[in-house]
Amino acid sequence: AQSVTQLGSHVSVSEGALVLLRCNYSSSVPPYLFWYVQYPNQGLQLLLKYTTGATLVKGINGFEAEFKKSETSFHLTKPSAHMSDAAEYFCAVSAGGTSYGKLTFGQGTILTVHP
Amino acid sequence: DTGVSQNPRHKITKRGQNVTFRCDPISEHNRLYWYRQTLGQGPEFLTYFQNEAQLEKSRLLSDRFSAERPKGSFSTLEIQRTEQGDSAMYLCASSLRLAGGQGEQFFGPGTRLTVL
Repeated sequence: AQSVTQLGSHVSVSEGALVLLRCNYSSSVPPYLFWYVQYPNQGLQLLLKYTTGATLVKGINGFEAEFKKSETSFHLTKPSAHMSDAAEYFCAVSAGGTSYGKLTFGQGTILTVHP
Repeated sequence: DTGVSQNPRHKITKRGQNVTFRCDPISEHNRLYWYRQTLGQGPEFLTYFQNEAQLEKSRLLSDRFSAERPKGSFSTLEIQRTEQGDSAMYLCASSLRLAGGQGEQFFGPGTRLTVL
């Protein structure tokens, strides 16, 4: 079984500041980890994913995340926030390998970017 | 546009009525998933299809819910005798099963259901 905890339901940053969204997971098997972004009234868009290999993964729009097995974490970062980054972000986990890929999501973090 | 599409985008119904939603996945994708998202929560898995076979249903999917994917292409999700607690965003996603692994899930825009 898998579960995800996102620390902080709301994060507020100034434009140009570092963005850090926290995600911790629990999984009984090697996990695949994902970050999705959701803009109002839209579906989910994949930002980045970790499956195997390099633990630092880069995604779209300048985001990256690092898989830390010892800390069971997959935090999302971006060096410099843009106004367009304001959205809701979801961390998700699935069982890795040949499983069918059911995603278990965290509760989401709403990112607000101030001018 | 070759993305996942869902219809209708919005549905308002009265308690006790039946509703049906449709999802059209990306054409070559053989896996199709349904999720439900309530306000302030992340999406929750409901069910998934591999081609036309429904291979898993969540405990969240009560007997009032039924999903089909008759020809392995589009899928429908029907809710019978709707209740106010069914109000949510219903999301569909599709993926292409890769040899030895999983493909990325692409999500549709969702159908927002409001039960009065």
